[in-house]
Amino acid sequence: DVKVTQSSRYLVKRTGEKVFLECVQDMDHENMFWYRQDPGLGLRLIYFSYDVKMKEKGDIPEGYSVSREKKERFSLILESASTNQTSMYLCASTSVQVDTQYFGPGTRLTVL
Amino acid sequence: QKEVEQDPGPLSVPEGAIVSLNCTYSNSAFQYFMWYRQYSRKGPELLMYTYSSGNKEDGRFTAQVDKSSKYISLFIRDSQPSDSATYLCAMRRGGYGGATNKLIFGTGTLLAVQP
Repeated sequence: DVKVTQSSRYLVKRTGEKVFLECVQDMDHENMFWYRQDPGLGLRLIYFSYDVKMKEKGDIPEGYSVSREKKERFSLILESASTNQTSMYLCASTSVQVDTQYFGPGTRLTVL
Repeated sequence: QKEVEQDPGPLSVPEGAIVSLNCTYSNSAFQYFMWYRQYSRKGPELLMYTYSSGNKEDGRFTAQVDKSSKYISLFIRDSQPSDSATYLCAMRRGGYGGATNKLIFGTGTLLAVQP
């Protein structure tokens, strides 16, 4: 079974803090994705990566950056957290030949 | 206009009912269609996957794709309280590699099956 793990289930940070969210997958997938999920807005793509050190902006990249130094690990960075970044953050991965994405359990981030 | 439209619900049905969940889309390039189920405070999990038009059945679940109408459906027969969750449709265009694996999601429909 594919396993996608995220570093924290719940996180509380203060405005202005730098926040790191980490995602690890164990299936040697090339593609990894970061989404945020908000009520009424569904899943919105922040960034994705289709190879090590490669990244592409999704639909809402502002205020976020990412890092992919190893194939199995994809990090989402909030350089200076703001209250409007309070959300559920979901990581997903897929291989080039597989038509679906496998999701992690999510990190519920609250920025005070 | 959003590329994928989905009624957010909530949809409340009695146990044993047939449930119909739907999405419409505007991009005719979409070739792959999925349904994800998401329980409260969990990540989405793949429920059904179909390619192009047609039907696919898996136990109590049937997925239908009508590309001519740009309309997809998920039917749940003999619904159970354990089916209570948010159901998300997702789709992507054809091809492999790079950005073609990017999925476009509906906003999700919240389903409650009452015992």
